[in-house]
Amino acid sequence: GAVVSQHPSWVICKSGTSVKIECRSLDFQATTMFWYRQFPKQSLMLMATSNEGSKATYEQGVEKDKFLINHASLTLSTLTVTSAHPEDSSFYICSAPPPGNNEQFFGPGTRLTVL
Amino acid sequence: TQLLKQSPQFLSIQEGENLTVYCNSSSVFSSLQWYRQEPGEGPVLLVTVVTGGEVKKLKRLTFQFGDARKDSSLHITAAQPGDTGLYLCAGDPGNKLVFGAGTILRVKS
Repeated sequence: GAVVSQHPSWVICKSGTSVKIECRSLDFQATTMFWYRQFPKQSLMLMATSNEGSKATYEQGVEKDKFLINHASLTLSTLTVTSAHPEDSSFYICSAPPPGNNEQFFGPGTRLTVL
Repeated sequence: TQLLKQSPQFLSIQEGENLTVYCNSSSVFSSLQWYRQEPGEGPVLLVTVVTGGEVKKLKRLTFQFGDARKDSSLHITAAQPGDTGLYLCAGDPGNKLVFGAGTILRVKS
């Protein structure tokens, strides 16, 4: 199956700093990637759709200036949490569908803890 | 408004018991997917159901897609401790996945 990686797997940062999370499709090109947020023992909440070469599409209630998304290549999307606060602490997961495949493959997730 | 309603939210059972998880919607989906997620990891796709009335089996797991393609169920026979995890149903209303609330399953030995 297709492989999606994320980096880092976990990060701890101070309040007010920015954190960048990378999502890579390792063996396929992805024009679209998705970013999710997940709180403990809860389901995944779609934050935004990352589009290669164009602006991301954000879900209602997600601040685009807070969560910056850049999809600069067909294998890499980045999510930057700007001016992080403790309430941004969460598990962030990305996914991508291989070309011609409507099934999505998920990355292993990134645990963000903001102190 | 939750597009996909998943139940139960929590399930704690003994090894060897059977269980069923339900995923219901008022909307029609072209397909529904079931995922299993372990703590600290991303979801892993178990199955995709596409055709109304479809039944798919994956070892001890049986997945059904309703005739109207609005609901689905996951049945586990003779549950084992290794089945413990978060089970998620997901549907595509149009170029993105929406997830049910999830079912946390704990199988005790």
